[in-house]
Amino acid sequence: QVQLQESGPGLVKPSQTLSLTCSVSGGSISRGTYYYSWTRQHPGRGLEWIGYIYNSGRTSYNPSLKSRVIISVDISKNQFSLRLSSVTVADTAIYFCTRVDTSNALYFGVDVWGQGATVTVS
Amino acid sequence: QSVLTQPPSVSGAPGQRVTISCTGTSSNIGAGYAVHWYQQLPGTAPKLFIYGDFNRPSGVPDRISGSKSGTSATLAITGLQAEDEADYYCQSYDSSLSGVIFGGGTKLTVL
Repeated sequence: QVQLQESGPGLVKPSQTLSLTCSVSGGSISRGTYYYSWTRQHPGRGLEWIGYIYNSGRTSYNPSLKSRVIISVDISKNQFSLRLSSVTVADTAIYFCTRVDTSNALYFGVDVWGQGATVTVS
Repeated sequence: QSVLTQPPSVSGAPGQRVTISCTGTSSNIGAGYAVHWYQQLPGTAPKLFIYGDFNRPSGVPDRISGSKSGTSATLAITGLQAEDEADYYCQSYDSSLSGVIFGGGTKLTVL
């Protein structure tokens, strides 16, 4: 069973870059019909998709964040990462790494979630 | 502002039936893209609850159902139980964004 685990600093200063890594266990990131994605949840608010990456390196980002986001993948480490630049207090949120399944049954649905990493910008 | 529109809250007494609506547009639900639902209990990550419009993952009881028509989808819970109290999110794919979209979430309260 595939599991995802976020890691990275819990506190970032304004104007700096937020960096998180997601470690994938129980399966290879290079196999299957999956996009590996980041989603965040502001305190007491709903879910916001940030972007995703395929194992080929192809990416797609939320237009509202596109100018500040880079998602990358490291096949050798079975990890993918998020970098969000020029952060402000509005970027304070729980950041989830997720697996998006593009198979017919679960077309672009999220079938695996990490436990979430709380990041505070202050 | 979320691309998919959900009511902020719904409530019902134990044993009753409640529904949660999710309204999209012609570039997402109306285009035929699948709708998925997630249940989020306090302090935990969301969990897949309904996928592909109406399919239940293993472990989700059959009193939970999903449907879709036109640009909207509905999650229905019958025989409401205290354990159903949670936040529920709908989700789909949007062709104009080339990405995943979520509804704003609905808080279900069991009275």
